[in-house]
Amino acid sequence: AQSVTQLGSHVSVSEGALVLLRCNYSSSVPPYLFWYVQYPNQGLQLLLKYTSAATLVKGINGFEAEFKKSETSFHLTKPSAHMSDAAEYFCAVTSTGGSYIPTFGRGTSLIVHP
Amino acid sequence: KAGVTQTPRYLIKTRGQQVTLSCSPISGHRSVSWYQQTPGQGLQFLFEYFSETQRNKGNFPGRFSGRQFSNSRSEMNVSTLELGDSALYLCASASSGRVEETQYFGPGTRLLVL
Repeated sequence: AQSVTQLGSHVSVSEGALVLLRCNYSSSVPPYLFWYVQYPNQGLQLLLKYTSAATLVKGINGFEAEFKKSETSFHLTKPSAHMSDAAEYFCAVTSTGGSYIPTFGRGTSLIVHP
Repeated sequence: KAGVTQTPRYLIKTRGQQVTLSCSPISGHRSVSWYQQTPGQGLQFLFEYFSETQRNKGNFPGRFSGRQFSNSRSEMNVSTLELGDSALYLCASASSGRVEETQYFGPGTRLLVL
């Protein structure tokens, strides 16, 4: 079985500050990990994904995430928040030998203050 | 390439009615998945179709059904609507539904049951 936990349903940062959104996963086999972003009244859009190549993954809009097997984590970061980053962020996991239907976390709402 | 399209975007129904939602995947994609998104439960997987066959099913009652046509377009149907069915219904397509693939989401259909 696979699962995802996103710590913090809401994260608030000031514009220009570091963004850190936390994701921990559980999987009995090597996972594939995804971060998606959802803007209001829109569907989800892929930010980045880890597929067992480099552990540091760079995505769109300046976001990156690091896969840490020892910590079963895949936290999303961005050095400097922009107002346009305000959205809902979802971490998801699939795994070989398990379901290829992604299991999503509950989401983290990122609030960016001017 | 055109993205995933969903129709209608908004829908209001009353309890006991039935509803059909439509999804057109990205051209060439053969896997179509459906999700229900609510504030309380987050993103929940409904079912996945591949080449006109239901390949995976989530834990939803039989009132929720779907189908996929030969052109990969998909429909989902909810019969005997309940108030709790009010949600954003998201459709996602993928090339073949392999474990490492990105899912491409449509904008969703927002269903309100009165």
